[in-house]
Amino acid sequence: NAGVTQTPKFQVLKTGQSMTLQCAQDMNHNSMYWYRQDPGMGLRLIYYSASEGTTDKGEVPNGYNVSRLNKREFSLRLESAAPSQTSVYFCASTDTGELFFGEGSRLTVL
Amino acid sequence: RKEVEQDPGPFNVPEGATVAFNCTYSNSASQSFFWYRQDCRKEPKLLMSVYSSGNEDGRFTAQLNRASQYISLLIRDSKLSDSATYLCVAYGANAGKSTFGDGTTLTVKP
Repeated sequence: NAGVTQTPKFQVLKTGQSMTLQCAQDMNHNSMYWYRQDPGMGLRLIYYSASEGTTDKGEVPNGYNVSRLNKREFSLRLESAAPSQTSVYFCASTDTGELFFGEGSRLTVL
Repeated sequence: RKEVEQDPGPFNVPEGATVAFNCTYSNSASQSFFWYRQDCRKEPKLLMSVYSSGNEDGRFTAQLNRASQYISLLIRDSKLSDSATYLCVAYGANAGKSTFGDGTTLTVKP
């Protein structure tokens, strides 16, 4: 029962470095999401993909790009990391509105 | 104005107390609603869906008022283990987007 798998779980970057967060789901869901959560705040939507082949900006897309590689996989890329992108990133998927989450990726940008 | 707004809290209550959380949403196209529970910055987990007729799961009762665009969660006979952050979510199937409130933190004390 893998559900939603995110990698890596932890990452430390220097300002200006790039990296990609990977997310895969095995529930055949159409919709996938990337959220970030900063200390003391709720989840803010970065990008989402309502179906394979489509992606849309969420509330806080600046500094990020996404790729819906296939129905299973939805990756999030930071081209030039900034300290403001230090956060916990959650990937999620759904078909009915009930979201299934990965365990989160904790990213620190120095 | 945020699309989904919750009582900011925090709520500090004694064991056995009844506590109610409120949530409003601004997008009238939202179709499904949920309450999630989040512990210590782990991934959110579904607590319950919210139906128009209201629904109950043990000590938890959820209500939806579409006319007022209002959702509530009632917890009766609070337990220490109920201490967590509770997140309200509105899902719009047409847009395929799930939007979270900032969460309300509950601490149940002995």
